[in-house]
Amino acid sequence: IQVTQSPSSLSASVGDRVTITCRASQSISNYLNWYQQKPGKAPKLLIYAASSLQSGVPSRFRGSGSGTDFTLTISSLLPEDFATYYCQQSYRAPLTFGGGTKVEIK
Amino acid sequence: EVQLVESGGGLVQPGGSLRLSCAASGFTFNTYWMSWVRQAPGKGLEWVAQIKHDGSEKNYEDTVKGRFTISRDNAKNSLYLQMNSLRAEDTALYYCVRDKVVGATYFDFWGQGTLVTVSS
Repeated sequence: IQVTQSPSSLSASVGDRVTITCRASQSISNYLNWYQQKPGKAPKLLIYAASSLQSGVPSRFRGSGSGTDFTLTISSLLPEDFATYYCQQSYRAPLTFGGGTKVEIK
Repeated sequence: EVQLVESGGGLVQPGGSLRLSCAASGFTFNTYWMSWVRQAPGKGLEWVAQIKHDGSEKNYEDTVKGRFTISRDNAKNSLYLQMNSLRAEDTALYYCVRDKVVGATYFDFWGQGTLVTVSS
């Protein structure tokens, strides 16, 4: 199952609303997770099962979607949110990641 | 506190072998599936292999099937990745990852990674 993320990068300002999309090559129900990775650090789980917020993750992060189309929304960007974001499908092995979206400071 | 500490990375020639280890602590290791995920320098994430909590089921990414073997020792709270016939494209930071399997599967804790470089 291929997972396509868009955009591959974006520039945004603190306080902006940011939306990242992920499209699967076939229906994956809600088996879609989102991770955040900062430079030199391991990835961190943000959202699992398309819309469930991982414990400790701020509520400005929201996941939605089902089937083939999914969205990660950051409601109001903070300085610590500048990072690369990855989606990942867990419907069937091989488990696959999207190519990533780098969120940069405008 | 959950901790995953990888070791065993290094420089190896093409065609060579390497065995990665991951020491787990802070949780009941023998009740969790585990995975290896890698990241080539400057590139995205790639899932490599997964093993069930009791070792009875294993899954692999297509390009490593037949070359890599995932295993675990629950008595030692340890996860392993035996890598044979290594290629330049296997060069990456390899993360040990805890899987949460509750219907859906997701990676809820990650180690800091061990670097594997395949070069002559």
